[in-house]
Amino acid sequence: EVHLVESGGGLVQPGGSLRLSCAASGFTFSSSWMTWVRQAPGKGLEWVAIINEDGRQRDYVDSVKGRFSISRDNGANSLYLQMNSLRAEDTAFYYCTRDRGYASFDMWGQGTMVTVSA
Amino acid sequence: QSALTQPRSVSGSPGQSVAISCTGTSSDVGGYNYVSWYQQHPGKAPKLMLYDVSKRPSGVPDRFSGSKSGNTASLTISGLQAEDEADYYCCSFAGTYTPPFGGGTKLTVL
Repeated sequence: EVHLVESGGGLVQPGGSLRLSCAASGFTFSSSWMTWVRQAPGKGLEWVAIINEDGRQRDYVDSVKGRFSISRDNGANSLYLQMNSLRAEDTAFYYCTRDRGYASFDMWGQGTMVTVSA
Repeated sequence: QSALTQPRSVSGSPGQSVAISCTGTSSDVGGYNYVSWYQQHPGKAPKLMLYDVSKRPSGVPDRFSGSKSGNTASLTISGLQAEDEADYYCCSFAGTYTPPFGGGTKLTVL
């Protein structure tokens, strides 16, 4: 069975850092592009970051460029999102997804909540 | 990228059909046949319902169909069922890695 399980969310003060993790199983992780998508409470979905199979290609939504870094460990079947200089507007559920290409995401984790507040 | 435009809400009675629109520009929806749709029940993760405008992943009922005309894509749900009540989001390829999502549509089954 296919699984994506996120962890690492929590409460952090503005300016702080968090590292989200996503454990993948049930599919060939090392052959999959992966993305992070977030959803602020009561709001819509927002694409955050993408990484290709070997980690050499990465991109980010403008609002997190220079603050967030996406990475992966194919040996551990894991995806990561390092979030620095966090702001209140980064408060959201963060979902790990498998990107099947051309803006379609066919697997989603259950999400992990990040709250940025003093 | 600007978010795609969806109606805030739509509604229908069981057995009826409803359509949800998703309007973008020639740089996203109108420029590519790569629009996807997601269903999200309260407190749950989104689920892919359609991709490449009208293709259904395995397990998605054929009551869900998609189409596109110009800069507007549509998701149609026929034979509405109570379990279809959820939020629906569209997303479009836009020529880069950074795809816009729609703002979401709340479907109410009356």
